[in-house]
Amino acid sequence: QKEVEQNSGPLSVPEGAIASLNCTYSDRGSQSFFWYRQYSGKSPELIMFIYSNGDKEDGRFTAQLNKASQYVSLLIRDSQPSDSATYLCAVTNAGNNRKLIWGLGTSLAVNP
Amino acid sequence: GAVVSQHPSRVICKSGTSVKIECRSLDFQATTMFWYRQFPKKSLMLMATSNEGSKATYEQGVEKDKFLINHASLTLSTLTVTSAHPEDSSFYICSARDSGLAGGRDIQYFGAGTRLSVL
Repeated sequence: QKEVEQNSGPLSVPEGAIASLNCTYSDRGSQSFFWYRQYSGKSPELIMFIYSNGDKEDGRFTAQLNKASQYVSLLIRDSQPSDSATYLCAVTNAGNNRKLIWGLGTSLAVNP
Repeated sequence: GAVVSQHPSRVICKSGTSVKIECRSLDFQATTMFWYRQFPKKSLMLMATSNEGSKATYEQGVEKDKFLINHASLTLSTLTVTSAHPEDSSFYICSARDSGLAGGRDIQYFGAGTRLSVL
């Protein structure tokens, strides 16, 4: 059973639109939640992290966490073609050496 | 922001050669570093957790004698692929977790990766 689930996509949005990426997790003990962006052939790059319920905004990015429903989402406003990448959701919990449990990623394509 | 340097970025070697990959945290201390591998169009796969001053913890199915990990200081971990074979060809990526919790807990910062091609 997968512990972190994401729609694989591809999610296609027009330039300037809002892209909404979703992630659910199975472990209620999860404490830290991350969104990474990975371009093809490159390593992951941290986009956002969130620890508490609610919204966290950073520039065009907003992370939303709902622990009761066990989901975390990422909104990208004013999407640009350069945002086209795979977005990886990852969570950690108190045990397990606090390693990241990864989703398989959602491929996002922003069309000019 | 936190920077993790990984070297070399690309290695092409003959079968049977051992290859050493270095991962350094440049502006923070990392008690724990992680080693991943990724095949084309596949997800990240954690190979092992590297702890400074102690033995690495390997994930199930990863041969510890094949993939030697040394974490001798708070800023350096190395992965040695011993007697590499073509099936070891992959993208190897390290990450480091900031021990000082500067900016947030549990955050892993990634190196740029090493693309290994074994002929």
